Amino acid sequence: DVKVTQSSRYLVKRTGEKVFLECVQDMDHENMFWYRQDPGLGLRLIYFSYDVKMKEKGDIPEGYSVSREKKERFSLILESASTNQTSMYLCASSLYDSRGEQYFGPGTRLTVT
Amino acid sequence: AQKVTQAQTEISVVEKEDVTLDCVYETRDTTYYLFWYKQPPSGELVFLIRRNSFDEQNEISGRYSWNFQKSTSSFNFTITASQVVDSAVYFCALRLPGGYQKVTFGTGTKLQVIP
Repeated sequence: DVKVTQSSRYLVKRTGEKVFLECVQDMDHENMFWYRQDPGLGLRLIYFSYDVKMKEKGDIPEGYSVSREKKERFSLILESASTNQTSMYLCASSLYDSRGEQYFGPGTRLTVT
Repeated sequence: AQKVTQAQTEISVVEKEDVTLDCVYETRDTTYYLFWYKQPPSGELVFLIRRNSFDEQNEISGRYSWNFQKSTSSFNFTITASQVVDSAVYFCALRLPGGYQKVTFGTGTKLQVIP
């Protein structure tokens, strides 16, 4: 059974903290993605990666960075969390072939106070 | 740039009614892939279907069917005889060829099926 796991379902952090969100997939997929989901705005792409150590900015990269040191792991980093980064964060993976569907993790609901 | 529009924010239907979720897309490319995903209340998005731009055949899978029309840039999703388990948020998405290409999602349609 294919699997994308995220390190936490719920996370509460304080403004200014550095936050790490981890995502691991076991399908040997080349592509990995980070989205944030907010009511009325759908899924917005933050960053994605199509290979180890490769990354591409999505639509809303400001305030975020990513790391992909191993094929199965893709980390999202909030260097200095702010309240407007309170959101649901979704990780996904897919084959490099763009016909490939994405497999999503369960999401991390991050609250920044 | 690509764009996917799901104009219906929320739809409520009574169980056993048919319902159609609309998806309109924009792209200048002639080759592209369209997807539908379901996000149940548990939160995890699940893939439902993929269509490539060269295949305009409609598809049926059980109570689900999809109508792809390039002439109107639409890829609509119909649920026949809806059930409470169909209650979810449904997303339409578009991707261009190439593994380095991002995926563009619509804003989603929340479907509530009332028993």
